Amino acid sequence: AQSVTQLGSHVSVSEGALVLLRCNYSSSVPPYLFWYVQYPNQGLQLLLKYTTGATLVKGINGFEAEFKKSETSFHLTKPSAHMSDAAEYFCAVSDVDSSYKLIFGSGTRLLVRP
Amino acid sequence: EPEVTQTPSHQVTQMGQEVILRCVPISNHLYFYWYRQILGQKVEFLVSFYNNEISEKSEIFDDQFSVERPDGSNFTLKIRSTKLEDSAMYFCASSVSGVAARYFGPGTRLTVT
Repeated sequence: AQSVTQLGSHVSVSEGALVLLRCNYSSSVPPYLFWYVQYPNQGLQLLLKYTTGATLVKGINGFEAEFKKSETSFHLTKPSAHMSDAAEYFCAVSDVDSSYKLIFGSGTRLLVRP
Repeated sequence: EPEVTQTPSHQVTQMGQEVILRCVPISNHLYFYWYRQILGQKVEFLVSFYNNEISEKSEIFDDQFSVERPDGSNFTLKIRSTKLEDSAMYFCASSVSGVAARYFGPGTRLTVT
């Protein structure tokens, strides 16, 4: 069964520093990949997605992620953290064979220090 | 920008009672989903719905759960007899296709006492 691993339940960075949130998936067939962000007491907001084509995808709020098939990874990055980026980030995958199910990782809470 | 809406934002119910959680998906979306997130845990898939029928469901989605699209806009999740372990945040989502990005609503926090 498809699974998603997010390394690090908590990541702490200083404001202005690089943000790197890691995501690895288990499928042997490249799935569709997503990053969602959840601010406190709010729902899930789509940050970006990869389906086909260019492996570096840009999302909202300056985030981007790169699909690396050889590493089965889809890490999320942002060059310079802002205090407003503090939130929980979820990586999710769906199977290319039209599975309707999104499988979520366990999430990474990003803390931004002033 | 169109968005998924959910009502109520918070529902408190007693164990054994029936609850109905309501969602209005984005109007041109054809696929609808329910997910839940128990406090401190990951988001879990419950069910997907397309063309007026369930297209996939998880092992969590047992006979106590049902979904319905009673009219052209609403999508509901019914829990027939709630248990304490049903306490969670329930998210509705919709998408244009079965593999497209899901757009999530703000969630309904269900508390079973």
